[in-house]
Amino acid sequence: QVHLVESGGGVVQPGGSLRLSCAGSGFTFSDYGIHWVRQAPGKGLQWVSFIRHDGSKKQYGDAVKGRFIISRDNSKSTLYLQMNSLRREDTAVYYCAVIGDFDYWGQGTLVTVSS
Amino acid sequence: QSALTQPHSVSGSPGQSVTISCSGTSSDVGGSDYVSWYQQLPGKAPKLLIYYVNNRPSGVPDRFSGSKSGNTASLTISGLQTEDEADYYCCSYAGRNTFYIFGTGTKVTVL
Repeated sequence: QVHLVESGGGVVQPGGSLRLSCAGSGFTFSDYGIHWVRQAPGKGLQWVSFIRHDGSKKQYGDAVKGRFIISRDNSKSTLYLQMNSLRREDTAVYYCAVIGDFDYWGQGTLVTVSS
Repeated sequence: QSALTQPHSVSGSPGQSVTISCSGTSSDVGGSDYVSWYQQLPGKAPKLLIYYVNNRPSGVPDRFSGSKSGNTASLTISGLQTEDEADYYCCSYAGRNTFYIFGTGTKVTVL
């Protein structure tokens, strides 16, 4: 059974940093590109970032470009999101997701940016 | 990177049909074969209902159907059931720069 499990969320002050992880199991992790998608409290879904299956291509949404870094370690079946210079508007549940006809999402991890 | 435009809410009685629109541009919905629809229950992760405009994953009832005309995609729920009460989001590939974009979301209420 396919599982994606996010971790690393928490409370951080504005300007701070946080690293999220997403552990995959039940499928060949290295075969799939993976996304980060976030959802602010009471708001809609927002695409954040994508990394190709082999890490050769990375994409970022305008809201996080220059502040967030996506990476992966296929030997550990784990995806990461390094979040720097955090702002209050980055407060959200962050999901990792494989998107497409093979479509799986984690349960999400909450990041709260607050002083 | 503005979100795709969906109606804030739609409602219907059990057994009726409702249609949710998803309006974009020629750079996303109109120019992409990849338009998908998700259902999100409160406190849960989104669940895929439709991919590549009109394809259903196994396990998704055939009451859910997707279509696209020009820059607007649509999700139709036929034979509305109480368990269909949820938030629904469209998603489109939007090219090499924007990459993916979601809709604003629509709350479906079963009267």
